[in-house]
Amino acid sequence: NAGVTQTPKFQVLKTGQSMTLQCAQDMNHEYMSWYRQDPGMGLRLIHYSVGAGITDQGEVPNGYNVSRSTTEDFPLRLLSAAPSQTSVYFCATTGTDTQYFGPGTRLTVL
Amino acid sequence: GDSVTQMEGPVTLSEEAFLTINCTYTATGYPSLFWYVQYPGEGLQLLLKATKADDKGSNKGFEATYRKETTSFHLEKGSVQVSDSAVYFCALSDQSGGFKTIFGAGTRLFVKA
Repeated sequence: NAGVTQTPKFQVLKTGQSMTLQCAQDMNHEYMSWYRQDPGMGLRLIHYSVGAGITDQGEVPNGYNVSRSTTEDFPLRLLSAAPSQTSVYFCATTGTDTQYFGPGTRLTVL
Repeated sequence: GDSVTQMEGPVTLSEEAFLTINCTYTATGYPSLFWYVQYPGEGLQLLLKATKADDKGSNKGFEATYRKETTSFHLEKGSVQVSDSAVYFCALSDQSGGFKTIFGAGTRLFVKA
């Protein structure tokens, strides 16, 4: 039982490049979320999903796309990376009593 | 909109000292309140939660009481250990599981031996 896994752990991009951050869970949770963590700002919600085929925007969705084709996977896409997207990204699932967070992806955009 | 404000860090304490990290919130409804902990290089873990007024959440010697009258959820521990060094986040959600959570900025705690 791996819980929530994220890949890659670290990534460096150049401005304008695209990439996908992967998130997978094996807990069969319907609810999944993507957050970004920036110094002094806590975690902010980017996008979330309440089940396969259903996604919606959070607090800071601009520059990011998501899809949810299966219960297990919830990838986050950066179509054209910008330096302002340098951050640590966390994927989370929500169970009955709590959220479960992945280990994070540290992204640097030059 | 809803928000969470917590005391700025870092907080530096000696081992066995008493810890308080203040947290206040603004919410239109009756949210569930959470404390999460983040150890270096890791994701967040739930430390404790409370889902209604006057509830006390507790775990690993930490505790916090949901105070609706003061809109607060302060984290306390009677005797900290070096292993408690981490970043602590106060948070709220309109669901007991914490979906679509709003987080405070985090408070870094250093505990010296």
